[in-house]
Amino acid sequence: SQTIHQWPATLVQPVGSPLSLECTVEGTSNPNLYWYRQAAGRGLQLLFYSVGIGQISSEVPQNLSASRPQDRQFILSSKKLLLSDSGFYLCAWSRGLQGNQPQHFGDGTRLSIL
Amino acid sequence: KQEVTQIPAALSVPEGENLVLNCSFTDSAIYNLQWFRQDPGKGLTSLLLIQSSQREQTSGRLNASLDKSSGRSTLYIAASQPGDSATYLCAVIGNTDKLIFGTGTRLQVFP
Repeated sequence: SQTIHQWPATLVQPVGSPLSLECTVEGTSNPNLYWYRQAAGRGLQLLFYSVGIGQISSEVPQNLSASRPQDRQFILSSKKLLLSDSGFYLCAWSRGLQGNQPQHFGDGTRLSIL
Repeated sequence: KQEVTQIPAALSVPEGENLVLNCSFTDSAIYNLQWFRQDPGKGLTSLLLIQSSQREQTSGRLNASLDKSSGRSTLYIAASQPGDSATYLCAVIGNTDKLIFGTGTRLQVFP
């Protein structure tokens, strides 16, 4: 069966510090991978998605970047965190395009910026 | 631009009641609609996925319907239990292949 792992589960970082959140998927190959952010009182917002190694699409201009160094690894990064980067970050995967496959989510990382 | 709305925003009911959660979307050109459950501080659990060609899907006490032409979906929960307490999210995928989420319905079922 397929599983998705995110870490860390919680993170407290000062403004201006770097960030690296990691997501890995097991039990499948060539998944589509996604990073979402859920801010307090708001819905989930898609930040990045990837259909293959090294292929990243950004949905919104922001202070964050994403990379996919391996087939089942997706990393969310920042060089200098802002207060507005606080939120709950979720990684997800799906099998195919054309929207005919469900997306499966990890347990999320709660990021607090001080 | 696709927009997804969920009503009510919050719901509190006694155990045993049958519930209906509503989801509406503005662009009917969707590939599928997915219902999720989110427990506090946790990720999303996929409950049901309805393809655009389908009218409904069932899983246990859950039944989701889709009326694509009117831009609506409902999630029916039969015989609610305290363990059903969570936030329920609906999301649609259109030709952009990206999930667009509603803001959710926060459900509390009390004993």
